[in-house]
Amino acid sequence: AQKVTQAQTEISVVEKEDVTLDCVYETRDTTYYLFWYKQPPSGELVFLIRRNSFDEQNEISGRYSWNFQKSTSSFNFTITASQVVDSAVYFCALSGHNQAGTALIFGKGTTLSVSS
Amino acid sequence: AAGVIQSPRHLIKEKRETATLKCYPIPRHDTVYWYQQGPGQDPQFLISFYEKMQSDKGSIPDRFSAQQFSDYHSELNMSSLELGDSALYFCASSLERGGLRRTKETQYFGPGTRLLVL
Repeated sequence: AQKVTQAQTEISVVEKEDVTLDCVYETRDTTYYLFWYKQPPSGELVFLIRRNSFDEQNEISGRYSWNFQKSTSSFNFTITASQVVDSAVYFCALSGHNQAGTALIFGKGTTLSVSS
Repeated sequence: AAGVIQSPRHLIKEKRETATLKCYPIPRHDTVYWYQQGPGQDPQFLISFYEKMQSDKGSIPDRFSAQQFSDYHSELNMSSLELGDSALYFCASSLERGGLRRTKETQYFGPGTRLLVL
């Protein structure tokens, strides 16, 4: 069975602090896809990043960076110099490969609060 | 760029009534997914369609049904509504690449329909 664990339920930081959101996944698929989505207070789900299981290269996009380690089944997300606008619920998600229409399995989410 | 469109954005219904939610995927996307997100919870997969055929089924109640039409838009029909159906319903779309190197593409979500059952 597939499973995503986000152990951190809530994190509070002050602006300009760096923060790392943890994500651990379980899957038996040899090919799979990992995602991070952001859900601000307005409610929409915003796609941040997708990573394929065969590509372990880490990625940086502005203040965001992602660390994918297959050896520990982790896909952690770091925000550098956090801002108030980063306050949101962040979901890590996993998708298999085997068939069309494979659903996303979400973690429970981490609520990030950034205060000024 | 065009995004996923969902209508209505808000819906209030009484118990035992029916509701129909609509989803218009991103142009040229061939796969549509429906998710339900209860208050304070993560999104839960309901059902998906690829090229107008049901492709995967999750925790969708028997009271719910869905279909994808020839223009690729999808509708989620909900009958005998219960208080517990109050939730945010998301539609997402993606492009499924076929052929020998089939890959799963990113699911892009619509803004959601907030359903309140009284």
